Amino acid sequence: DIQMTQSPSTLSASVGDRVTITCRASQSISSWLAWYQQKLGKAPKLLIYEASSLESGVPSRFSGSGSGTEFTLTISSLQPDDFATYYCQQYNSYPYTFGQGTKLEIK
Amino acid sequence: QVQLVQSGSELKKPGASVKVSCKASGHTFTNYALNWVRQAPGQGLEWMGWINSNTGTPIYAQGFTGRFVFSLDTSVNTAYLQISSLKPEDTAVYYCAKKAGYYWYFDLWGRGTLVTVSS
Repeated sequence: DIQMTQSPSTLSASVGDRVTITCRASQSISSWLAWYQQKLGKAPKLLIYEASSLESGVPSRFSGSGSGTEFTLTISSLQPDDFATYYCQQYNSYPYTFGQGTKLEIK
Repeated sequence: QVQLVQSGSELKKPGASVKVSCKASGHTFTNYALNWVRQAPGQGLEWMGWINSNTGTPIYAQGFTGRFVFSLDTSVNTAYLQISSLKPEDTAVYYCAKKAGYYWYFDLWGRGTLVTVSS
């Protein structure tokens, strides 16, 4: 199975900050990576697919990059609504696996 | 509005069974890969497998064989997850999620069903 490792596990930031979350795959997954946002008690919401493609309706302050084994999710200017947990997911090969999550907290 | 509507929370005793439903609203289960994802309390997301809406064929990820059964009733646009011989470690939120077209990421999620297993 492909292991997905996110860092950091927790990130404290302020409104207006630029933040970056990293996701590393245990083997190459090309660009077959998605990012999700999950708020407490809610279902995950798709933000990014194919490493850098923005899902329809997602604000442009979210962006993704990377290929192979290293990927990043960047939020250019944090808004109050962005404080949540973020997960990456590889869909290069079965079984489809998620990172352990990065909790974005208000500083 | 296109949604996946899941059944409500369940409280079960160890050894019992539970059946969680996931109904397609505003669309139909046509050419669908309906996935199930588990999230234990305070934990991350774990893909359990999927069911093909055209054939009804389920595929289970390792660790979800035997006690877990995926099924469909296309006449009511509803998918089901049944878990038998429940254990306390089955306590989790179970999500249904739709595969996004050709690729195996998930663009539509149900709100989740909390299954609590406790004596």
